[in-house]
Amino acid sequence: NAGVTQTPKFQVLKTGQSMTLQCAQDMNHNSMYWYRQDPGMGLRLIYYSASEGTTDKGEVPNGYNVSRLNKREFSLRLESAAPSQTSVYFCASSEAGRFYGYTFGSGTRLTVV
Amino acid sequence: GQQLNQSPQSMFIQEGEDVSMNCTSSSIFNTWLWYKQDPGEGPVLLIALYKAGELTSNGRLTAQFGITRKDSFLNISASIPSDVGIYFCAGHLGPPYGSGNTGKLIFGQGTTLQVKP
Repeated sequence: NAGVTQTPKFQVLKTGQSMTLQCAQDMNHNSMYWYRQDPGMGLRLIYYSASEGTTDKGEVPNGYNVSRLNKREFSLRLESAAPSQTSVYFCASSEAGRFYGYTFGSGTRLTVV
Repeated sequence: GQQLNQSPQSMFIQEGEDVSMNCTSSSIFNTWLWYKQDPGEGPVLLIALYKAGELTSNGRLTAQFGITRKDSFLNISASIPSDVGIYFCAGHLGPPYGSGNTGKLIFGQGTTLQVKP
């Protein structure tokens, strides 16, 4: 019963490099989300996918792209990393029907130098 | 966009003390949730509140959904060292039920709790 799995756990990038953060859930949840966490700013929504085949921008989408590959997987791509994207990234999922909140992954700590 | 103001930002208390924190918003929410984040981990749901005025407990934790629907409170009684972490409030605008529920949450900035044994 893994819940939400994120890879990698840690990553260091040079400015301008690209990478994809992977997320998979095994709870048959419809909706998936990507948040970033910065000190003193809480969690801010980057992109979300209400259901398979749909994606929408959140509060801070600039510099990111997403792919909802199937119901289980939702990836976040940084095309040209910038130091301002240094953060901890969390993937989360939630079920349809009654809203019981999110199940979060354990996060990816990204440093862009 | 919507913002949640969570206070206090940090607390340093003695083991055994009670703790109170709150969250306020300029917007009305239909659901309030409280999460705890341990170091190096993702947030974990503690309590979900679905109705204005609702008071819900989970062990030593008690949370309330404010009557105005613009605020929520979390109390921790008789704190212990494992209560250390960051506590987040979150508000949900959508309906509690239904296929139109995208589930987007707005989070507060977090309250960092430290407990001295």
